[in-house]
Amino acid sequence: QQQVKQSPQSLIVQKGGISIINCAYENTAFDYFPWYQQFPGKGPALLIAIRPDVSEKKEGRFTISFNKSAKQFSLHIMDSQPGDSATYFCAASRDSGGSNYKLTFGKGTLLTVNP
Amino acid sequence: EAGVAQSPRYKIIEKRQSVAFWCNPISGHATLYWYQQILGQGPKLLIQFQNNGVVDDSQLPKDRFSAERLKGVDSTLKIQPAKLEDSAVYLCASSLVRGGGRPNNEQFFGPGTRLTVL
Repeated sequence: QQQVKQSPQSLIVQKGGISIINCAYENTAFDYFPWYQQFPGKGPALLIAIRPDVSEKKEGRFTISFNKSAKQFSLHIMDSQPGDSATYFCAASRDSGGSNYKLTFGKGTLLTVNP
Repeated sequence: EAGVAQSPRYKIIEKRQSVAFWCNPISGHATLYWYQQILGQGPKLLIQFQNNGVVDDSQLPKDRFSAERLKGVDSTLKIQPAKLEDSAVYLCASSLVRGGGRPNNEQFFGPGTRLTVL
C-alpha cells in the first residue's frame, strides 16, 4: 500500500521558472511532512519540513503548501536554478503519541532545470 | 563535522551469495537507520536502532537480512543469501535522538551502497 503518492514523476523547467511537486497522503495520523533533495550518488538531505498546524512554510526560494482537509502538500521552488536539478522526495511520518516514528517516502520527482 | 560514512560504495555479487554493508554514523548520534532504495522509488526503512537496541524492524526480511549495532556506534547490514530483487541502494542514516520532527532529530543520510545482484 503506497501511503504517500507523489507527482509528477519527472519535471523540466526553465531557469527562473517555478517548479511545483505535489504529494498526497492517506494516513491521517501523519503529523510531520518533510521534503528531501537527492543528488546523484548522494544520500537524501532534508530540504524543508512542515507540521499540519500551519498551511505554509517558506525558506528562501522553497515553500511548502499544506492542505490538511485534502490530505495534500506541495513543494514550490521559486526562481528555479540549474543547481536545483535533483530528485525530490516528499515524506510523512507520525512523530507524536509515543510512536516509533517512521518516514514513509514518495517515489520521487526528477527535476531538471534548463539554463 | 564528518557525515555518515558507508562502505563499500558499490558491490556486485551473484544471487545466493552473501554481502555485508558497514555504516559509521555521525559521532554522538544515538539513532541509526538502514533504508533500501530501489531504483525509481523512495527509500524504505528496513531497521531502526536506538543505541544498540532495535526499535523497529517490521519491514526487514528477516529470513535473509540481519543487522547489528554492537556497542551502539557503527552498524552492519547483512544479506544471506541475496536475491535478484535485492538490487538497490542501501542507505544508512543517523539522528541525534529518535523521531524526525523535533529539534535535533533530523536524519542525516550517508552516500549509500549500490548493490547489484546478478
